[in-house]
Amino acid sequence: NAGVMQNPRHLVRRRGQEARLRCSPMKGHSHVYWYRQLPEEGLKFMVYLQKENIIDESGMPKERFSAEFPKEGPSILRIQQVVRGDSAAYFCASSPRPGQGANYGYTFGSGTRLTVV
Amino acid sequence: AQSVAQPEDQVNVAEGNPLTVKCTYSVSGNPYLFWYVQYPNRGLQFLLKYITGDNLVKGSYGFEAEFNKSQTSFHLKKPSALVSDSALYFCAVIPFSGGYNKLIFGAGTRLAVHP
Repeated sequence: NAGVMQNPRHLVRRRGQEARLRCSPMKGHSHVYWYRQLPEEGLKFMVYLQKENIIDESGMPKERFSAEFPKEGPSILRIQQVVRGDSAAYFCASSPRPGQGANYGYTFGSGTRLTVV
Repeated sequence: AQSVAQPEDQVNVAEGNPLTVKCTYSVSGNPYLFWYVQYPNRGLQFLLKYITGDNLVKGSYGFEAEFNKSQTSFHLKKPSALVSDSALYFCAVIPFSGGYNKLIFGAGTRLAVHP
C-alpha cells in the first residue's frame, strides 16, 4: 500500500500562472481532504471531496481556487493566476469513510510546496 | 466555534528531561483528539489518538497524551526527551457529532531539544 501520494513535491510558478497539485489517495480510500500550511502557521482546512462530489469547500478561497476528484484518477487542486500569497505547503489526506478516517487519524501525503515568484 | 489552542509557539527542553506540549480544545460533541509531528520539509506523521476509553494514550516514539475532559485538554508528554524529537507538533480534533467531520488543527508548537 503506497500511502497517499502527492505530486509534484515542489512547484515553482510565476505570478499569473496556473498551479495544479495532484493527490492520489490510499488504495480503497474514496474521501480526500486538502489542507494548506502557510509559512510558520498551522494547517487550515480547504476542501473535502468524495469521488465526483465536493462535500465541503468552506475553507476554499472564493476565487481562483478549485478542486475535483474524478471517478478515475487523482484529486486535483487547481490555483489559477497565482499570487505570491499562494506560496505555501499543500497537504492532502485520505480516508475510506469519514468515520473510519476519524478512527484511523487520517493519512497525510508528504505535501506539495508551492513557491510563487 | 470549534477550535484547538496550542498556547506555546515553542518549547525548549534539555535532552533527558521530561517534556510537555500543551493543547486545549473547544468543540461541541465528543472530541476525537490527535497529535501529529512534522519534521522539516516533510509531511505530517501520526503520533497518537484518543477516541474513547482510557484517558492516557500511548503512541509512537515513547510519546503519550492524557485526555482531561473537565479541563478540555490533551497535553502531549514524554518522560525523557531526545534531540531527535525536535520538530513541529500539531494537536488536532474531530468534533464528532455524527456524519461528516473534518480534522481541525492547532497552530503548532515547535519543540527544540538541546544536547
